[in-house]
Amino acid sequence: ETGVTQSPTHLIKTRGQQVTLRCSSQSGHNTVSWYQQALGQGPQFIFQYYREEENGRGNFPPRFSGLQFPNYSSELNVNALELDDSALYLCASSLGPNEKLFFGSGTQLSVL
Amino acid sequence: GIQVEQSPPDLILQEGANSTLRCNFSDSVNNLQWFHQNPWGQLINLFYIPSGTKQNGRLSATTVATERYSLLYISSSQTTDSGVYFCAVERGTASKLTFGTGTRLQVTL
Repeated sequence: ETGVTQSPTHLIKTRGQQVTLRCSSQSGHNTVSWYQQALGQGPQFIFQYYREEENGRGNFPPRFSGLQFPNYSSELNVNALELDDSALYLCASSLGPNEKLFFGSGTQLSVL
Repeated sequence: GIQVEQSPPDLILQEGANSTLRCNFSDSVNNLQWFHQNPWGQLINLFYIPSGTKQNGRLSATTVATERYSLLYISSSQTTDSGVYFCAVERGTASKLTFGTGTRLQVTL
C-alpha cells in the first residue's frame, strides 16, 4: 500500500508565474485536501475534493484552483503568483470527507 | 470561525520524561485529530479522537468534547518525539480542519 505522494518536492518561481502541484492519494482513498503552511504557522485549509467534486473551500482567492481525477489523484494550480504564496503546500488523503487525514511530505514553493 | 489554542507553546524535556499537551477549542466539534510534524516537515497523524480516550504505544489522547478540550500524553519521551504537535478540529461534515497554534517539543539526551 503506497502512501500519499506529492511532486515536485521543491519549486522556485517568480512573481506573476503559474504553478501546478500534484498529489497521488493513498490507495482506497477518495478524498483529497490541500493545505498551505507558512513558515512557523499551522497548516491552513485551501480546499477539499471528494469523488472529483470540490467539497469545501477555505479563505483563498480564486487564483487557487484544483482538480481531482477519476483515480482520485489531484492537482493544485496557483495563477499570478505573489511573494506571499511562498509556503509548504501539503496534500492529504482520506477514506471520506470527515475521516482521518494522511499527509504527503509536501511541496516547498518559493516565489521570488 | 472556530479558535484553537494549544499549550504550552514550547516544551523542552529530557529523554525519559513524561508530558501533557493541551488543546482548547472555542466551539463544539465532530472531528479532532492530533498530528506530529517532524523536523523535516512531514505531518504524521497520531489520533483521530473527537471524543473519548485512545492509546497507541507511548502516546495516548483524551478529548472531553463537552468541555471543549483535548489532551495528548507522551510517556517516556525519546529524541525522535521532537517536533511540533498540532491539534486540528472541524465543526462540519468535511475534513476542513482548523489547526491550532502548535506545541514545539524538544527532547534532549
